[in-house]
Amino acid sequence: KAGVTQTPRYLIKTRGQQVTLSCSPISGHRSVSWYQQTPGQGLQFLFEYFSETQRNKGNFPGRFSGRQFSNSRSEMNVSTLELGDSALYLCASSSGSQGWYNEQFFGPGTRLTVL
Amino acid sequence: KQEVTQIPAALSVPEGENLVLNCSFTDSAIYNLQWFRQDPGKGLTSLLLIQSSQREQTSGRLNASLDKSSGRSTLYIAASQPGDSATYLCAVRRDAGNMLTFGGGTRLMVKP
Repeated sequence: KAGVTQTPRYLIKTRGQQVTLSCSPISGHRSVSWYQQTPGQGLQFLFEYFSETQRNKGNFPGRFSGRQFSNSRSEMNVSTLELGDSALYLCASSSGSQGWYNEQFFGPGTRLTVL
Repeated sequence: KQEVTQIPAALSVPEGENLVLNCSFTDSAIYNLQWFRQDPGKGLTSLLLIQSSQREQTSGRLNASLDKSSGRSTLYIAASQPGDSATYLCAVRRDAGNMLTFGGGTRLMVKP
C-alpha cells in the first residue's frame, strides 16, 4: 500500500502571497488531519477532515483553511502569508473511524519558507 | 487543556545501551497514546499505539508502557543502535476525534 503523499515537498513564498498544499491519504482512509511543526511551537493541530467535512479545528487564524475532496484527497490553503508561517506542514491519514484503535500515519511534509 | 511533556529533551548514549524515554500528560482522560519517530527534516513514523485500556505494547526492540491514572508513558529501547538516532515524539488522542496533542520530543543520539 502506498503511504501518505504530500506535494509539493518544498515551497518558497513571499509575505502577503497565498499558498495551497496537497495531501493524498493512504488508499481507503477517509480522515486527513493537518499539523504545523515549528522549532518554537512544536507540532500543532490545524484541522481534520472526514468525508469532505471539517470535523475538528485547532487554534489557528482564519487565514488557514482546508478542504477535502470526494476521493479523500485534501488541500490546505494559507492566505496572506506571514514570516511566522514558515514551517513544516504535515498531513496525517487514518481510517477515520470513531473507534479507539485508529492509528495515524504521516506524510513526509511540505517545507514552506516565507521570505 | 491537555499538555504533554517529554523528558529529557535530548539524550546521548553509547551503542548497545538500553534506554527509557518519558512522556507525561496532564489530562488522564485519553483515548490512546502513540509514539512516533522523526528523522531530521522528515515526516513522522508511527512506532507504537497504546489504547487507554492497555498497559503496554511491544514491537521488536521497542516497548511502550502506559499508566493512564498517573498520566505517564515510557518508551523502552533495548540494545540501542546508531540507526535509532532520531527525535522521538509521543502524542495523546483525547477523544473519538483524530486530534493529537504532541509532546516536544526527545532528541536521541546513539554513538557507535
